[in-house]
Amino acid sequence: GESVGLHLPTLSVQEGDNSIINCAYSNSASDYFIWYKQESGKGPQFIIDIRSNMDKRQGQRVTVLLNKTVKHLSLQIAATQPGDSAVYFCAENRGATNKLIFGTGTLLAVQP
Amino acid sequence: KAGVTQTPRYLIKTRGQQVTLSCSPISGHRSVSWYQQTPGQGLQFLFEYFSETQRNKGNFPGRFSGRQFSNSRSEMNVSTLELGDSALYLCASSSGTYNEQFFGPGTRLTVL
Repeated sequence: GESVGLHLPTLSVQEGDNSIINCAYSNSASDYFIWYKQESGKGPQFIIDIRSNMDKRQGQRVTVLLNKTVKHLSLQIAATQPGDSAVYFCAENRGATNKLIFGTGTLLAVQP
Repeated sequence: KAGVTQTPRYLIKTRGQQVTLSCSPISGHRSVSWYQQTPGQGLQFLFEYFSETQRNKGNFPGRFSGRQFSNSRSEMNVSTLELGDSALYLCASSSGTYNEQFFGPGTRLTVL
């Protein structure tokens, strides 16, 4: 397979703080990037996406930053809430299909 | 609008058997992708179907196959099951390329 599945890194934050989750992607030809949230027992849920012709995109409480020079993607969550506790995956898409290459994932633990 | 549905939700099989999993996409979506999720390898792309044609395939052995029907519903089949096939199998649907992919809850397959 193409995705890397290793130990899941964990980010622990206090409720109300801002969270930043980072992701390094593998292919400079990738032109579409997505962040997903996965809660226990559920499928991944779309959070926000960004195309390679942009370097920043904002949603509700979330911001995605794309640095193509160093192939780096980050997800910022403002005022993190207990309901944000989940595993977060970045995914990259390359070519004219819907094939997604997923990152390892980061476990976000929000402390009340 | 109903989400992506997958059946069955849980399945237990023994080595050597075969299994068929089903995915019903969101109404109007023509693209269906399948992913395998395991703790060791993470989320890995299996294949994508678009308007009944396989548009892309991941790095899995030929024991893994799929198809899509004219109503966009999709099935995937795994023959000669191995212990390592135990995983959560996820299906995602999309209305097109570079559009949001919606994931179903997955089918949890256990091979004994």
